[in-house]
Amino acid sequence: AQRVTQPEKLLSVFKGAPVELKCNYSYSGSPELFWYVQYSRQRLQLLLRHISRESIKGFTADLNKGETSFHLKKPFAQEEDSAMYYCALINYGQNFVFGPGTRLSVLP
Amino acid sequence: KAGVTQTPRYLIKTRGQQVTLSCSPISGHRSVSWYQQTPGQGLQFLFEYFSETQRNKGNFPGRFSGRQFSNSRSEMNVSTLELGDSALYLCASSLGTYSSGNTIYFGEGSWLTVV
Repeated sequence: AQRVTQPEKLLSVFKGAPVELKCNYSYSGSPELFWYVQYSRQRLQLLLRHISRESIKGFTADLNKGETSFHLKKPFAQEEDSAMYYCALINYGQNFVFGPGTRLSVLP
Repeated sequence: KAGVTQTPRYLIKTRGQQVTLSCSPISGHRSVSWYQQTPGQGLQFLFEYFSETQRNKGNFPGRFSGRQFSNSRSEMNVSTLELGDSALYLCASSLGTYSSGNTIYFGEGSWLTVV
């Protein structure tokens, strides 16, 4: 079965430090991968998707098929990046599969 | 442009009852998908509707059902409620199906508590 894992439930970094939120997936094929973010008191929203290869709010994510990973990175974390981050993929059945989420806390 | 609207926002039901949740998509959006979010299971896909047809379905029992109307508004129904159905139910809409690369936009969710 397709799975998305995010090994860290909580990740704390200091402002200005680099941040990497890990995401691994199990999927036999070419997945479509996403990162979603939920800021405090806001709706869940798309942060970025791998096919667009864009950088949003300074975040990037590279799909590594060999390691089946799609880690989210930002070189310099900001306090406003504090949020819940979900990695997700669309599988063969075209169903969305979400990871358990990682809460990022950026400390001042 | 108004976002995805879900009603009711909060509700409490008793075991064995049924519940209907409503979702109004962003104007012009034809796809609506539903998700269940719980502390234990996280965010799980329920089903997606496009042009009044169910396109995809997640791994949930038949007690969970949905439908979409001609104006793209959608409802989901859970029958014979169990305590484990207590969750935040999220609805999302997109112009076309999400598998076609369309961005989905989430509502604020409906909090269901089963007692």
